[in-house]
Amino acid sequence: DIQMTQSPSTLSASVGDRVTITCRASQSMSSWLAWYQQKPGKAPKLLIYKASTLESGVPSRFSGSGSGTEFTLTISSLQPDDFATYYCQQYYSYSTFGQGTKVEIK
Amino acid sequence: QVQLVQSGAEVKKPGASVKVSCKASGYTFTSYDINWVRQATGQGLEWMGWMNPNSGNTGYAPKFQGRVTMTRNTSISTAYMELSSLTSEDTAVYYCARAFQSVSTVVMGYWGQGTLVTVSS
Repeated sequence: DIQMTQSPSTLSASVGDRVTITCRASQSMSSWLAWYQQKPGKAPKLLIYKASTLESGVPSRFSGSGSGTEFTLTISSLQPDDFATYYCQQYYSYSTFGQGTKVEIK
Repeated sequence: QVQLVQSGAEVKKPGASVKVSCKASGYTFTSYDINWVRQATGQGLEWMGWMNPNSGNTGYAPKFQGRVTMTRNTSISTAYMELSSLTSEDTAVYYCARAFQSVSTVVMGYWGQGTLVTVSS
């Protein structure tokens, strides 16, 4: 199994901040990585796939980068609607999720 | 519009099985893979496996191999996930989710509303 480790587990930030979340894989997986946003009581929402491709309708303040074993999700200017939990997902070998990063209000 | 509507909450005893359904509408059911993901209260997402509704082919996460079965009924555009030998560790919300593109498998663009399965004696 490919293990996915996200950091940090919790992130406190203010509206307008630039936020970066990291996801590390236990083995190289090219760019087969997606990012999801989940709000309490709701199903996850796809943000980015293939490490850096923005899903249709997702605001451009979200961006993804990386390949191999290290990936990042960046929110360029945090908005009130962005306070949520974010998950990375590898799909190089079946699939596994990271443990999540909660972005909370500072 | 694409919709995935799941069956209602279940309460099961340890050792029992549960079968959750996921009825799809708004697209051609056989053209997109269906995944199942679960989430225990306050915990992260856990991918369980996928199914190709056209062929019936499946792929299960190693953790669930031998205990999960994913099937479908194409005549009613419905996917099913059955989990056996339940323990309290299986208490979670179970989601079905459709691949976001027809060429994708496990990148999920549309999700059901979730089904709470509670395992308790």
